Amino acid sequence: EDQVTQSPEALRLQEGESSSLNCSYTVSGLRGLFWYRQDPGKGPEFLFTLYSAGEEKEKERLKATLTKKESFLHITAPKPEDSATYLCAVQPHNNDMRFGAGTRLTVKP
Amino acid sequence: IAGITQAPTSQILAAGRRMTLRCTQDMRHNAMYWYRQDLGLGLRLIHYSNTAGTTGKGEVPDGYSVSRANTDDFPLTLASAVPSQTSVYFCASSPGLAGSYNEQFFGPGTRLTVL
Repeated sequence: EDQVTQSPEALRLQEGESSSLNCSYTVSGLRGLFWYRQDPGKGPEFLFTLYSAGEEKEKERLKATLTKKESFLHITAPKPEDSATYLCAVQPHNNDMRFGAGTRLTVKP
Repeated sequence: IAGITQAPTSQILAAGRRMTLRCTQDMRHNAMYWYRQDLGLGLRLIHYSNTAGTTGKGEVPDGYSVSRANTDDFPLTLASAVPSQTSVYFCASSPGLAGSYNEQFFGPGTRLTVL
């Protein structure tokens, strides 16, 4: 069964304190792995797509990496405006997209 | 501004009532989706459509129906609402077909409470 598990459920950081969010997955063939950002009361906003192990993508303070079993979202020197819930999703070859429950990130000034 | 609009923003509904959630996109995307988001469970796919006139079932389709009369509109209907359908509903679209490599673009959501 295709599954996505994100950890931790919640993460509190001080401004400037770098960290990583984890997304572990089991799928019957990965077509793509997606990262989204979701602000309270809003819909998810697309961040990155990763297609194969070893691939990396960067955007401002965020960098996403992918292995055969997991993906990491690295946040370097975060700012309070990076506070949001980060969602990971996998697109299997023969099934619907599967989303993780998300990591709620809070960055304190 | 191009994107997805959903209506209503929120709704409180008595159990047993019929309700249609509206979704419109102006990006001319092929595929459209309906998800529900519940605390601790993440987004779960209810129904999807790859083109006008075709629809498919997702992970949690029971109690819901959809139609796709044209490219832009994809309404979700609850024929007889039950309290377990209390959730936040998101409509999404993607340029390619469901199950392809494309990212999905989401609307702002409808918060539905069934009493």
